[in-house]
Amino acid sequence: SQQGEEDPQALSIQEGENATMNCSYKTSINNLQWYRQNSGRGLVHLILIRSNEREKHSGRLRVTLDTSKKSSSLLITASRAADTASYFCATVQGGSQGNLIFGKGTKLSVKP
Amino acid sequence: EAQVTQNPRYLITVTGKKLTVTCSQNMNHEYMSWYRQDPGLGLRQIYYSMNVEVTDKGDVPEGYKVSRKEKRNFPLILESPSPNQTSLYFCASRLGNEQFFGPGTRLTVL
Repeated sequence: SQQGEEDPQALSIQEGENATMNCSYKTSINNLQWYRQNSGRGLVHLILIRSNEREKHSGRLRVTLDTSKKSSSLLITASRAADTASYFCATVQGGSQGNLIFGKGTKLSVKP
Repeated sequence: EAQVTQNPRYLITVTGKKLTVTCSQNMNHEYMSWYRQDPGLGLRQIYYSMNVEVTDKGDVPEGYKVSRKEKRNFPLILESPSPNQTSLYFCASRLGNEQFFGPGTRLTVL
C-alpha cells in the first residue's frame, strides 16, 4: 500500500538555490521521515518529524508537517551539487509495527 | 563500522533457479526488513522481522521467503524466481525509528 506521494517527481535547480519537495499521505501517522538515495545506492535517513511536531530543522534541512492536510515538505537551503539525489518521504502509521511506507520519491538535480 | 551488508550486489539468473540474497547487520538491531525498489513504484516492503524467529509479510510477499534464525542475519529466498522479480532489493535494520539500509542487490531474472 502506497502511503506517501512526493511532488514534484523531478526538480532541477542551480547550486545555491533552495529546493522544496512535498509529500502527501493518506492515513493518520505516528511520524514521518525523509530519506535520501544516491543513484542506485541504499537510502540514508535524514530527519524525522513526529505527528505532534510542526517544524524541525537539521543543518540545511527544514521539514514541516501539517497533519490537517496530511502533508509534509522538505526544504534544502543553499543547495549544492552533492545534494543531487532522490528524496523519499516515509510514514509510520499509528498502531503499526513501525513499518515504513515509502512514497515514490523526488529526483533532485543540482547543477553547479 | 556499523553497517548492513548484502550479498551478492548483482545477480543475473534464470527463471526457476532458486536463489538466496543474504543480509547481515552488526548493530544488534532486533528489527530487519526487505524492500524492493522498482521504477515509478518507489520502495515496497516484502517481509520484516521484529526479532529472532518472528517474521511477517509486508506489502508484496508473494514469491519470497525469509528466515530469522539469528539476530544479525535475515536472508531473502526466491524459491522459483520469475522475470517480474527483476528489481533492486534492499535490506534494512532499525534502531528506534531510524532504518539503516544495505547497499542494494540488483537482481535480473531472465
